[in-house]
Amino acid sequence: DVKVTQSSRYLVKRTGEKVFLECVQDMDHENMFWYRQDPGLGLRLIYFSYDVKMKEKGDIPEGYSVSREKKERFSLILESASTNQTSMYLCASSPPRGEDGYTFGSGTRLTVV
Amino acid sequence: SQQGEEDPQALSIQEGENATMNCSYKTSINNLQWYRQNSGRGLVHLILIRSNEREKHSGRLRVTLDTSKKSSSLLITASRAADTASYFCATGNSGTYKYIFGTGTRLKVLA
Repeated sequence: DVKVTQSSRYLVKRTGEKVFLECVQDMDHENMFWYRQDPGLGLRLIYFSYDVKMKEKGDIPEGYSVSREKKERFSLILESASTNQTSMYLCASSPPRGEDGYTFGSGTRLTVV
Repeated sequence: SQQGEEDPQALSIQEGENATMNCSYKTSINNLQWYRQNSGRGLVHLILIRSNEREKHSGRLRVTLDTSKKSSSLLITASRAADTASYFCATGNSGTYKYIFGTGTRLKVLA
């Protein structure tokens, strides 16, 4: 069963900490994405990557960075966590054109205190 | 940059009834997809309809697309309690692999 795995379901971090959210896919997909989901705002794209070591900013990249050293792994980094980054984070992957749809991970609910 | 807007925001129906959700978007698209999200989980891809298609079926799901009105609808027939979830549309533009998601419709099916 093909899947996207996010390393943590729930995470609690302190303000100012550096936070790493990990995502691994086993489908050999070129594209990988990080979204955050907040009530009433839907899914907002933070960053995406269409190839190893390639990345592009999404709609809300401020306060985040990403790393894609290997095709199967896409990491989201919160350089200095703040309370307004408390959210559900969703990782997804897709083939090059995305026409088969995205495959999502189960999500990481991050709370910054 | 939100593209899709689902309507209604929330919907509550009895088991066995049909549920209809609508999605409107602003710019031209290559295709439109619908996803389901169970509470606190990731999204699951349901169905894709291309811009040159008007209707598509998958099991109890029926999706229509009207590109002249920039709108799509998702119909779930004979709903079940297990259909309780949020449903999102996502639009893709030609030549891009980025899809833009709407804010979702929360469906509650009462047993």
